[in-house]
Amino acid sequence: DTGVSQNPRHKITKRGQNVTFRCDPISEHNRLYWYRQTLGQGPEFLTYFQNEAQLEKSRLLSDRFSAERPKGSFSTLEIQRTEQGDSAMYLCASSSAAGGSWTGELFFGEGSRLTVL
Amino acid sequence: AQTVTQSQPEMSVQEAETVTLSCTYDTSESDYYLFWYKQPPSRQMILVIRQEAYKQQNATENRFSVNFQKAAKSFSLKISDSQLGDAAMYFCAYRSNNFGNEKLTFGTGTRLTIIP
Repeated sequence: DTGVSQNPRHKITKRGQNVTFRCDPISEHNRLYWYRQTLGQGPEFLTYFQNEAQLEKSRLLSDRFSAERPKGSFSTLEIQRTEQGDSAMYLCASSSAAGGSWTGELFFGEGSRLTVL
Repeated sequence: AQTVTQSQPEMSVQEAETVTLSCTYDTSESDYYLFWYKQPPSRQMILVIRQEAYKQQNATENRFSVNFQKAAKSFSLKISDSQLGDAAMYFCAYRSNNFGNEKLTFGTGTRLTIIP
């Protein structure tokens, strides 16, 4: 297993454009999370999926943001009409509660860095 | 809402010495988890150590140990015998154990530099 994979690693876009990030979790993990990390800050929770169901969304996730996890495998995070304030690192993480035991450990990807000009 | 505070933006330590990173948190809950995550430069974040609030014994993982003071809402990380590979951002994080709550709340991090 190669861990959590995120693509693209870097994205530069102009204000007003749409961008989409993809996350491939560890294959046996049923939980998937998106976080946003701005410079000098810790990651901030955006949303969480258990299998294909989106169970929790942060207030940070404005109507310009949408996340999906079709078939409970990979996930996409789309940002429409990007703004300069969207510039950040978008982190994906996955975890598993196999056998009813959840250790609390999240496995993070390397992130997708977005720069909005 | 829970908050996590890391009051040391930067710390440095001589190689092979011991360093302690501070973390305080605010919550009205009694059942929760606390974590320390490490984020090396340009690499993914990884779990260093975790503590369950109902356990009084402090967690230990090799050179890493915590000092968990539940009443004081304090959760510090001690790194013994510091190594060059320990250089990273360290984030303290909180997670409620309430059913359905999956959110991790992170502090702002402490950048640890190891001096050879």
